[in-house]
Amino acid sequence: DVKVTQSSRYLVKRTGEKVFLECVQDMDHENMFWYRQDPGLGLRLIYFSYDVKMKEKGDIPEGYSVSREKKERFSLILESASTNQTSMYLCASSLNLGRTEAFFGQGTRLTVV
Amino acid sequence: GQNIDQPTEMTATEGAIVQINCTYQTSGFNGLFWYQQHAGEAPTFLSYNVLDGLEEKGRFSSFLSRSKGYSYLLLKELQMKDSASYLCAVRVSSASKIIFGSGTRLSIRP
Repeated sequence: DVKVTQSSRYLVKRTGEKVFLECVQDMDHENMFWYRQDPGLGLRLIYFSYDVKMKEKGDIPEGYSVSREKKERFSLILESASTNQTSMYLCASSLNLGRTEAFFGQGTRLTVV
Repeated sequence: GQNIDQPTEMTATEGAIVQINCTYQTSGFNGLFWYQQHAGEAPTFLSYNVLDGLEEKGRFSSFLSRSKGYSYLLLKELQMKDSASYLCAVRVSSASKIIFGSGTRLSIRP
């Protein structure tokens, strides 16, 4: 079974802090994604990566950056956390060919105070 | 731009059938997914369509018409555990990008 693991289930950070959300997948997937999910807005794509060191902006990249130094790990960085970044963050991974559905981690509920 | 539309909420009765529609307008198309998400949990994959037609998997079926930018998820013999949000997602060609609609919250009443 594909396993996508996010480093924290719940996180509380202060405004202005630099925040790192980590995600690891164990199935050698080429693609990895970071989404945030807010009530009424669904899942919105922040960034995705299709290979090591490669990244593309999603629909809402402002205030975020990402890092993919190894194939299995994709990190989301909030450079200076703000209260409007309080959200559920979901990491996912997928293959490029064949069965290409995304597999999700359990999510990180981030609260910025 | 990219747009995926689904109804916000639906209600159905246990044992009945429900159809959840999804329309999309995207810059490229390389497959459509349906996911189920129970409250407080991560989305889980239900079905995938890349060619026109119906894909059946047990109580769940999914239909795609690429020319109309339209899909539906059909749930039969509804059970209380089917109460969840159902998310429509499109893999946009030219990249591996997968974008989601806002989801349809389905409530099942006895």
